[in-house]
Amino acid sequence: QKEVEQNSGPLSVPEGAIASLNCTYSDRGSQSFFWYRQYSGKSPELIMFIYSNGDKEDGRFTAQLNKASQYVSLLIRDSQPSDSATYLCAVTSQRGTYKYIFGTGTRLKVLA
Amino acid sequence: DAGVIQSPRHEVTEMGQEVTLRCKPISGHDYLFWYRQTMMRGLELLIYFNNNVPIDDSGMPEDRFSAKMPNASFSTLKIQPSEPRDSAVYFCASRADRSTNQPQHFGDGTRLSIL
Repeated sequence: QKEVEQNSGPLSVPEGAIASLNCTYSDRGSQSFFWYRQYSGKSPELIMFIYSNGDKEDGRFTAQLNKASQYVSLLIRDSQPSDSATYLCAVTSQRGTYKYIFGTGTRLKVLA
Repeated sequence: DAGVIQSPRHEVTEMGQEVTLRCKPISGHDYLFWYRQTMMRGLELLIYFNNNVPIDDSGMPEDRFSAKMPNASFSTLKIQPSEPRDSAVYFCASRADRSTNQPQHFGDGTRLSIL
């Protein structure tokens, strides 16, 4: 089992719809969770981070964390073609370390 | 604020040559990370430093790879000798040392092609 798993996609959604991206992780001691967006040929850029169970909203983006079930998700409301990118989930390993474990990413396509 | 700065942006060289990748972290950031990204393996952590000291190099693929951080504003990743399978995009990232919740900030990467 991979430490951080994401569906590689592509996930295709029509413009204006809600895109739902999911990530599961294996280390129950994980403390912090990050979502990065990576456009083709570019570097990962941080979208959101979350470390408490529940939802965290920032504009059109909502991160959801459920530590009991070991999953974290990212919802993108009112999806735009400019949201088309690969979304990487990153999880910190045990408390006190600063390593991220990245998933392999989900490719999102927003269709105009 | 200046972000993480990497050089060169692109490097094409022949197998067997030495390759040196450079990184300047964000000022004030105490952690520096080197990653490699390929289509097959995704984003892999190679090594990271805290206050210029290597903390975890378990991701360094083999002895041909070495990394140094002589001061807080500069790090190098060296491959000697280089091989075609080293072709990838290499990213450097840095973060502040305030808590584990601090995010990493990535440079633009170096696209390395070994012929």
